[in-house]
Amino acid sequence: SAVISQKPSRDICQRGTSLTIQCQVDSQVTMMFWYRQQPGQSLTLIATANQGSEATYESGFVIDKFPISRPNLTFSTLTVSNMSPEDSSIYLCSVEVRAGVDLSNEQFFGPGTRLTVL
Amino acid sequence: AQSVAQPEDQVNVAEGNPLTVKCTYSVSGNPYLFWYVQYPNRGLQFLLKYITGDNLVKGSYGFEAEFNKSQTSFHLKKPSALVSDSALYFCAVRPSMNYGGSQGNLIFGKGTKLSVKP
Repeated sequence: SAVISQKPSRDICQRGTSLTIQCQVDSQVTMMFWYRQQPGQSLTLIATANQGSEATYESGFVIDKFPISRPNLTFSTLTVSNMSPEDSSIYLCSVEVRAGVDLSNEQFFGPGTRLTVL
Repeated sequence: AQSVAQPEDQVNVAEGNPLTVKCTYSVSGNPYLFWYVQYPNRGLQFLLKYITGDNLVKGSYGFEAEFNKSQTSFHLKKPSALVSDSALYFCAVRPSMNYGGSQGNLIFGKGTKLSVKP
């Protein structure tokens, strides 16, 4: 399994500001993902972070609001831009080692970043 | 639409008793099935998965799950519950092939809170 760290672990931010969350993995991984877990709810996939190219966003999420970088196979960032209280959530990074089209491997999750927007 | 259902928001069990956390799914083709656990203020931890073969799979911390294709279910079980098992449990499924443009993303249930009392 991979060891994943996220920074910051939590933050309280003002409306209209932006926050960048970092995700670091201790080994090279094929796939990196960003999820949102709103209070009392399940996980929703925001996007797949692609190494060296633009992220692949899910329906309802856009690059202007959630810009993502992935400069190499062990690191990614998610920025939550122009925040509003509705962005208050836990943001989770996950990773997967995927060989070709094999979808049988599990994803491993980071500890999450708890964001509160005032 | 592809979906995962966890019909119980909460399951209460006495320590030492067997526990079951239910999961049913609606996914095209032969899916891969996963269970994750989330302890308070922690990220998700992988428990077990079903890929193919024996319908009963064993995972971490004494948990097991039974795949039932006819009932499209993947219930999580443990013969004897511990207080330390109290946590939030998520069932997740993923189509084994890219059906309908799903991109092979994990689809999560809404979670079931397990409470084990001494």
